[in-house]
Amino acid sequence: QKEVEQNSGPLSVPEGAIASLNCTYSDRGSQSFFWYRQYSGKSPELIMFIYSNGDKEDGRFTAQLNKASQYVSLLIRDSQPSDSATYLCAEGDAGGTSYGKLTFGQGTILTVHP
Amino acid sequence: NAGVMQNPRHLVRRRGQEARLRCSPMKGHSHVYWYRQLPEEGLKFMVYLQKENIIDESGMPKERFSAEFPKEGPSILRIQQVVRGDSAAYFCASSLDRLNTEAFFGQGTRLTVV
Repeated sequence: QKEVEQNSGPLSVPEGAIASLNCTYSDRGSQSFFWYRQYSGKSPELIMFIYSNGDKEDGRFTAQLNKASQYVSLLIRDSQPSDSATYLCAEGDAGGTSYGKLTFGQGTILTVHP
Repeated sequence: NAGVMQNPRHLVRRRGQEARLRCSPMKGHSHVYWYRQLPEEGLKFMVYLQKENIIDESGMPKERFSAEFPKEGPSILRIQQVVRGDSAAYFCASSLDRLNTEAFFGQGTRLTVV
């Protein structure tokens, strides 16, 4: 059974710092990974997805994928208090299927303090 | 994402009653996923549907839960004879294609069983 592990935190960083969120996954054959942000009481919002080894940048966000280590991370540069939320790492269903069922980690609570 | 509409947003049911949760996907999307988020837990996949077909219901409890996505109208998640343990947030996501590279979540239905 697929597993996605995240440190539940909370992770606290000062405003303007880099927040680093990490995620490991169990299925070596997985191909697609997603980062979602979820504010308290709200629905998950897609931040980024990554399929290839290496880095993918989008504004203040950088996703990093290392398939050999089965490790995905999300870096948030110049963190703002508005970034305070729960960040969910998800693995797409790649094991031979052709649709995108997601397996989520528990989420990491991020707090950015002024 | 406001494009995926779920209703009701909040639903209170007494033990033993039925709960019907509705999800209208984004325009043009024909792939629907239902997820459940129990208090203090991550999102768990329940079922994947395309129009008129259940493709994967591996995450659905064996009893009392059913889902449909008719040719016309919203997708329905139905919970019969609800119990306190069914209290959770139920999220629907829709995508344009099978690989779910961009799955958009609705605002969720928060079910409380009293």
